[in-house]
Amino acid sequence: ETGVTQSPTHLIKTRGQQVTLRCSSQSGHNTVSWYQQALGQGPQFIFQYYREEENGRGNFPPRFSGLQFPNYSSELNVNALELDDSALYLCASSRGGTGRTDTQYFGPGTRLTVL
Amino acid sequence: EDKVVQSPLSLVVHEGDTVTLNCSYEVTNFRSLLWYKQEKKAPTFLFMLTSSGIEKKSGRLSSILDKKELFSILNITATQTGDSAVYLCALIIGGSQGNLIFGKGTKLSVKP
Repeated sequence: ETGVTQSPTHLIKTRGQQVTLRCSSQSGHNTVSWYQQALGQGPQFIFQYYREEENGRGNFPPRFSGLQFPNYSSELNVNALELDDSALYLCASSRGGTGRTDTQYFGPGTRLTVL
Repeated sequence: EDKVVQSPLSLVVHEGDTVTLNCSYEVTNFRSLLWYKQEKKAPTFLFMLTSSGIEKKSGRLSSILDKKELFSILNITATQTGDSAVYLCALIIGGSQGNLIFGKGTKLSVKP
């Protein structure tokens, strides 16, 4: 158990809908990163939040957006869902700081199915 | 193109065997290389390697990084059925906090 929690565990949506996924970071961690993992693939970096600011983004369209709150929990929002958005969404928290690279610890993920 | 390549993609062994999983990469400017074990959902952290040639060990698992030849290996000795999982290799690159680039993983199945 890493202390990183995600909700919901599973979610089924239809094309065109919007979804919000939530992540609570481990105590003492101020950085949250989100990843999308399609079946049989490694996780792909979506974006990262550090102290409530977006701090890097992968190759995902603007309909993928996020937030980080003062308690360092985070949300991932996906608008206009497409079938290819079906995947396991993982969040990872870490203890970031200037010049610091810390291990990222993953939550259990949210399995999103888009019909 | 794939920047992190893991091999083999899948492997079936019997309990007690020793396995070596490979991770090669094309990225030269990275901070660290990490290994994770993914059984069902959450990847769980195994090792972080930053310096070349220094072996890290944890029980039956060990790993080493070769920055000159651009690869890392993960060894598991005396495998057990509980070692069955997907093993992911990732590089920390870019940004002030860094993000992870993953390989596709090696699926290890250990038969009794």
